[in-house]
Amino acid sequence: AQSVAQPEDQVNVAEGNPLTVKCTYSVSGNPYLFWYVQYPNRGLQFLLKYITGDNLVKGSYGFEAEFNKSQTSFHLKKPSALVSDSALYFCAVRDRRYSSASKIIFGSGTRLSIRP
Amino acid sequence: SAVISQKPSRDICQRGTSLTIQCQVDSQVTMMFWYRQQPGQSLTLIATANQGSEATYESGFVIDKFPISRPNLTFSTLTVSNMSPEDSSIYLCSVDWDRAYNEQFFGPGTRLTVL
Repeated sequence: AQSVAQPEDQVNVAEGNPLTVKCTYSVSGNPYLFWYVQYPNRGLQFLLKYITGDNLVKGSYGFEAEFNKSQTSFHLKKPSALVSDSALYFCAVRDRRYSSASKIIFGSGTRLSIRP
Repeated sequence: SAVISQKPSRDICQRGTSLTIQCQVDSQVTMMFWYRQQPGQSLTLIATANQGSEATYESGFVIDKFPISRPNLTFSTLTVSNMSPEDSSIYLCSVDWDRAYNEQFFGPGTRLTVL
């Protein structure tokens, strides 16, 4: 069975500092991995994905994520946080074996708060 | 990417009534999904809707409570029936963007409050 864990309910970072939002996953086969962001009163916006190839993937708004197969992790990172990055972030996984026939499983979400 | 709209964007409803939420996509897609996001919670998949077949419901969700229609490849509706305050949530539709390695794109959501 697929599962995603986001161990931190909230991450607080000062503006200009690097940020990391943690995610670990469990799937039977190889995963598709995703990060989504949800701003207040908005739907989910796709940030980035890992499909195959380079373990470091770059996405929107200067975010990047590193796929680590041995640690089954896909942590979201940004070198320099902005106040506007404050939002709710979801990690998600899909089992590659079933492609579009499989569900996307979402983590519990991490609220990122960037203080000026 | 797909552009997805939902109607209504929000509503306040009385207990025991029903609300139908519409989801419109700007291009034809095979699979559409309906999620529920309860206050402060993650997303939970309600059902998967393919055009021309009955929706597939996840454990804990039943057709009588959440009937779904999928009349064509660009449109779907979700009805929340006989509502109670526990149904107060954000309801989101999403689509598989088949040409782009299976990420899903989401509509803006419908914020439902049941009194």
